[in-house]
Amino acid sequence: QKEVEQDPGPLSVPEGAIVSLNCTYSNSAFQYFMWYRQYSRKGPELLMYTYSSGNKEDGRFTAQVDKSSKYISLFIRDSQPSDSATYLCAMSFSNDYKLSFGAGTTVTVRA
Amino acid sequence: DADVTQTPRNRITKTGKRIMLECSQTKGHDRMYWYRQDPGLGLRLIYYSFDVKDINKGEISDGYSVSRQAQAKFSLSLESAIPNQTALYFCATSDTGLGYGYTFGSGTRLTVV
Repeated sequence: QKEVEQDPGPLSVPEGAIVSLNCTYSNSAFQYFMWYRQYSRKGPELLMYTYSSGNKEDGRFTAQVDKSSKYISLFIRDSQPSDSATYLCAMSFSNDYKLSFGAGTTVTVRA
Repeated sequence: DADVTQTPRNRITKTGKRIMLECSQTKGHDRMYWYRQDPGLGLRLIYYSFDVKDINKGEISDGYSVSRQAQAKFSLSLESAIPNQTALYFCATSDTGLGYGYTFGSGTRLTVV
């Protein structure tokens, strides 16, 4: 079993829809959770960063962490064609340790 | 100029050849990483270095070696390339603490034939 599981999709939604992405993980020691966005032929870039359980909002993006269920989510409201990308979850045991990544979910937002 | 530069961007090589992928950064970060990305498998860590004198194996280091020539330079070598090393390779850097994230290069697409 992989440490971090993420449905690769692909996911296709119309412009303006809410995009819902999620990851599950097996190691309860993970405490730091991130979402990266990767455009085609580019390296991933950090989108959201959260510590422990709870929600974090940044503009149209909301990240949720449920440590009791070992489940994290990313929601994109009012999705735009420019949100079309691959989204990768990542997590770490501490604030000073290497990351474990999910496989990534490819999202297409149709105009 | 990009913060993290990888060369070459694309490379086709033959089985058994030695190949080096290079990474240089202007972020001033001490920590550097090499990942490979495969469809359905995501990013897997090959090697990482927390400073010039520190080299550590990641989860898939077999068949690879690295050299940290300076704070800003971290190269990855495939001693004898094989077809299942065909993948997209990323170099990344980070500062201490994860809040600022990793800075990734644009990747090297390697094909071993």
